[in-house]
Amino acid sequence: SQTIHQWPATLVQPVGSPLSLECTVEGTSNPNLYWYRQAAGRGLQLLFYSVGIGQISSEVPQNLSASRPQDRQFILSSKKLLLSDSGFYLCAWTRRALPDTQYFGPGTRLTVL
Amino acid sequence: GQQLNQSPQSMFIQEGEDVSMNCTSSSIFNTWLWYKQDPGEGPVLLIALYKAGELTSNGRLTAQFGITRKDSFLNISASIPSDVGIYFCAGRNKNTGNQFYFGTGTSLTVIP
Repeated sequence: SQTIHQWPATLVQPVGSPLSLECTVEGTSNPNLYWYRQAAGRGLQLLFYSVGIGQISSEVPQNLSASRPQDRQFILSSKKLLLSDSGFYLCAWTRRALPDTQYFGPGTRLTVL
Repeated sequence: GQQLNQSPQSMFIQEGEDVSMNCTSSSIFNTWLWYKQDPGEGPVLLIALYKAGELTSNGRLTAQFGITRKDSFLNISASIPSDVGIYFCAGRNKNTGNQFYFGTGTSLTVIP
């Protein structure tokens, strides 16, 4: 069976500090991978998605970037965090061949102070 | 990106009551998904629908893919306290890429 992991689970960072959130998927190959941000417990905003290693599509221009160094690893980064980057970050995956069902990871709660 | 219109925004019901919520879109979808999210956790997939008119159940939950392909409904029968949470719909059109579009969520409170 497939499993998706995210870490860290929670993070408190000062404004201006860098960020690195990691997402890994087990039990499948060549997944499509997604990063979302969720503010105030509602409304998922798609940030990035990737259909393969090194292939990143950005949906919202902002202070964040994403990378996919390995097939089942997706990383969300920032060089300098803003207060507005606070939120709940969710990673998700779909199968490449049948991308009609999306599964979410447990999420990372980021607080920027 | 496109956001789906999900209603109601919140519901307060007595334990044992049935619940209905729905999601509408301005464009057609090939897939409708329904999720439940507990506080501080990731959304958990409840039901997936892949065909217009499809009616699918998962225990006390039943969801339908609207005939117009622009809407979907989720019903919960005989609610229990653990049904509390936020329910999200999501839709995808395979002809417009890999993106899923999400509703704004329905917050469900079940009063024992």
